Amino acid sequence: GAVVSQHPSRVICKSGTSVKIECRSLDFQATTMFWYRQFPKQSLMLMATSNEGSKATYEQGVEKDKFLINHASLTLSTLTVTSAHPEDSSFYICSAGQRGESQYFGPGTRLTVT
Amino acid sequence: QQQVKQSPQSLIVQKGGISIINCAYENTAFDYFPWYQQFPGKGPALLIAIRPDVSEKKEGRFTISFNKSAKQFSLHIMDSQPGDSATYFCAASKAAGNKLTFGGGTRVLVKP
Repeated sequence: GAVVSQHPSRVICKSGTSVKIECRSLDFQATTMFWYRQFPKQSLMLMATSNEGSKATYEQGVEKDKFLINHASLTLSTLTVTSAHPEDSSFYICSAGQRGESQYFGPGTRLTVT
Repeated sequence: QQQVKQSPQSLIVQKGGISIINCAYENTAFDYFPWYQQFPGKGPALLIAIRPDVSEKKEGRFTISFNKSAKQFSLHIMDSQPGDSATYFCAASKAAGNKLTFGGGTRVLVKP
């Protein structure tokens, strides 16, 4: 299957700072990338959908000014958590896909805000 | 509103047994139904997927059964192994590559 990477795998930051997470499709060009959030022992919650070169579409209840998404190329999307607070601590996972093809997920990023 | 309902929440099965996980959906526009396997601290991995024009699809020990009229689909894991112990998620979307709606997940424990 296709490979999607995320960086970093773990990050600890102080409250009030911003954190950037990168998602890359390594062996295919992803027309669409998705960002999910997952709390312990819960399902994945879709945060936003991003298409290369256009603004991300955010799900209801997700603050677009807090979770900035950039999809600058067909292989790279970034999620920036701005002014992070402890309640933003979570497991963030990206996925990448092409039209008509399955989505492939990255390994996830564990964010801890102290 | 939970559009994809998954059951059971957890499942314990003996090695060599069959694990069965069920999902039901509401949105008739859904046209693509994948299953993902997730180990703790890792991202989900695609296991197998089905479209509603077939009633069953098998890949190795994993089989999806699909009932379009009942809006239900299920995953069967044959000859379950301890290495299959993981959380399994069903999902649905309007087409492959579109955004996915996930079920709540099933934690499977295979006892040796």
